Amino acid sequence: QSALTQPASVSGSPGQSITISCTGTSSDVGSYNFVSWYQQHPGKAPKLMIYEGSKRPSGVSNRFSGSKSGNTASLTISGLQADDEGDYYCCSYAGSFIWVFGGGTKVTVL
Amino acid sequence: EVQLVQSGAEVKKPGESLSISCKASGYRFTSFWITWVRQMPEKGLEWMGRIDPSDSHTNYGPSFQGHVTISADKSISTAYLQWSSLNASDTAIYYCARQEATEADYWGQGTLVTVSS
Repeated sequence: QSALTQPASVSGSPGQSITISCTGTSSDVGSYNFVSWYQQHPGKAPKLMIYEGSKRPSGVSNRFSGSKSGNTASLTISGLQADDEGDYYCCSYAGSFIWVFGGGTKVTVL
Repeated sequence: EVQLVQSGAEVKKPGESLSISCKASGYRFTSFWITWVRQMPEKGLEWMGRIDPSDSHTNYGPSFQGHVTISADKSISTAYLQWSSLNASDTAIYYCARQEATEADYWGQGTLVTVSS
């Protein structure tokens, strides 16, 4: 399994919306609705933000939303805030009890 | 409160063996898988493998199969990640996480492993 493809960086001004893409194949993202997204601040453990493509865990702001079209999943952050800065990773089930992460996207709030 | 507490940082020489641990509390250990994730210096997350603590069944990512061993002791709610022979490229932070169905909902604090001669 190859890593899912994410843009290296995405930036936006406070209050704006940004979208991070996560492109896989018909063997992972395209076959299952099991994409999750994680936020990681420097020196910290990752935090679950979205699961099963579009569901938010309790406590995660509704400014975070997920979607999928074909082999590409997306994470949208609306009303961008300074604390949203960090690295974001997508992860997809790839069959046979194997998962694969994306390469990660650095989000910068201008 | 769900918690995953990992063992402390390790400094090892190439060729040495190592086992790091992940102790779970606040939930029934056998009801959720444990996943291990590698993060090499300044790099992204990599899915290494997972274990079902109820029966110790494991699955490994292709890059990790045969190089690491994941195990669990359900009597003490602890999962392990083991190497029989480390090399410099194993230098990384290793995270354990509780896997709720298809996502990792709780994470350990990470264990830094440094392999250097």
